Amino acid sequence: GAVVSQHPSWVICKSGTSVKIECRSLDFQATTMFWYRQFPKQSLMLMATSNEGSKATYEQGVEKDKFLINHASLTLSTLTVTSAHPEDSSFYICSAPGPNSSGAFFGQGTRLTVV
Amino acid sequence: SQQGEEDPQALSIQEGENATMNCSYKTSINNLQWYRQNSGRGLVHLILIRSNEREKHSGRLRVTLDTSKKSSSLLITASRAADTASYFCATDSRGYSTLTFGKGTMLLVSP
Repeated sequence: GAVVSQHPSWVICKSGTSVKIECRSLDFQATTMFWYRQFPKQSLMLMATSNEGSKATYEQGVEKDKFLINHASLTLSTLTVTSAHPEDSSFYICSAPGPNSSGAFFGQGTRLTVV
Repeated sequence: SQQGEEDPQALSIQEGENATMNCSYKTSINNLQWYRQNSGRGLVHLILIRSNEREKHSGRLRVTLDTSKKSSSLLITASRAADTASYFCATDSRGYSTLTFGKGTMLLVSP
């Protein structure tokens, strides 16, 4: 099946620094990718829709200047958490629509801890 | 915002038993998908059922969809310890895999 690879799988950073998370579709092209955030023992919340070659679409309440999304190619989207704070600590996970309307395929997720 | 609710929130069963999880949603949908998430890991796509389908099978999984009641159920038959995970339903109502997730059911299968 379709494979989505996310990197890194975990990262620890200091408050005030920025962290970049990569999401790649390995064997298919994805003009659209999605970024979700998941707090412990909670469900996934959609943060934004990443569009190749154009601006991302952010969900209500998500700060676009804090969560920078770039979708520079048909196989890569990046999420940069800028000036990270401890409250940004969470599990971030990306997805891409699979080929042939087969559903969405998810990356492995990135555990971000801001200290 | 979250689309709906799964119940139960947690389910504990013995190996070999069947596990049934339910999901309710609020808006009209294009399709509904079920995912499994092992602790701290990514999501694994289990099955997709379209709005014009009523039942779908995949191996030990059986999914039903009742659009009039805006609900779906996931049945796992002959459960195994390896089925221990959280299970989420997700609805695609905005199109193109923009998913809205339920709160999930945590399933524990004891040997």
